[in-house]
Amino acid sequence: SQTIHQWPATLVQPVGSPLSLECTVEGTSNPNLYWYRQAAGRGLQLLFYSVGIGQISSEVPQNLSASRPQDRQFILSSKKLLLSDSGFYLCAWSVPKQGRGFVGTQYFGPGTRLLVL
Amino acid sequence: AQKITQTQPGMFVQEKEAVTLDCTYDTSDPSYGLFWYKQPSSGEMIFLIYQGSYDQQNATEGRYSLNFQKARKSANLVISASQLGDSAMYFCAMREGNRDDKIIFGKGTRLHILP
Repeated sequence: SQTIHQWPATLVQPVGSPLSLECTVEGTSNPNLYWYRQAAGRGLQLLFYSVGIGQISSEVPQNLSASRPQDRQFILSSKKLLLSDSGFYLCAWSVPKQGRGFVGTQYFGPGTRLLVL
Repeated sequence: AQKITQTQPGMFVQEKEAVTLDCTYDTSDPSYGLFWYKQPSSGEMIFLIYQGSYDQQNATEGRYSLNFQKARKSANLVISASQLGDSAMYFCAMREGNRDDKIIFGKGTRLHILP
């Protein structure tokens, strides 16, 4: 069965410090991978998605970046954190498009709570 | 314009009663998919149920069913015999066409089950 891991679970960082959040998926090959951010009590905002190694699409221009160095590894980074970067970061994976009957369900990791002070 | 609308920011329901969470969507693509996710206080997003636009029957998964009314562009989630553990945030979401890159989420409904 497939599992998705995120770490760290919680992170407190000062403004201006760098960030690296990691997400790994097990039990599947060539998954689509996604990074979302959720502000407190709000909906999900798609930040980045990737359909393959080295292929990253950005949804929101900001001081965050994403990388996919390996098939099942997705990293969210920042060189200098802002107060507004605080939130709950969720990684998700889905099976790539398979033609007719494609569903596209996304499965989420446990998330990382980031507090920037 | 919002693609997914959840008009109920919060709901209180007595335990063991049935619950209907509203969701309307907007798309001009004839092929799309609709999802419901549950987010308990722990934060993890849990996939509940899926309905494809061409599916002839309403989707069901245990106590969850999706009341799919295509002409009204409505995809309400029905939870039968609610339990205390159903207290959570619920999100409706849509995939447009056969794109495999994006799911659009609604703003969510917070459900409180009362003992």
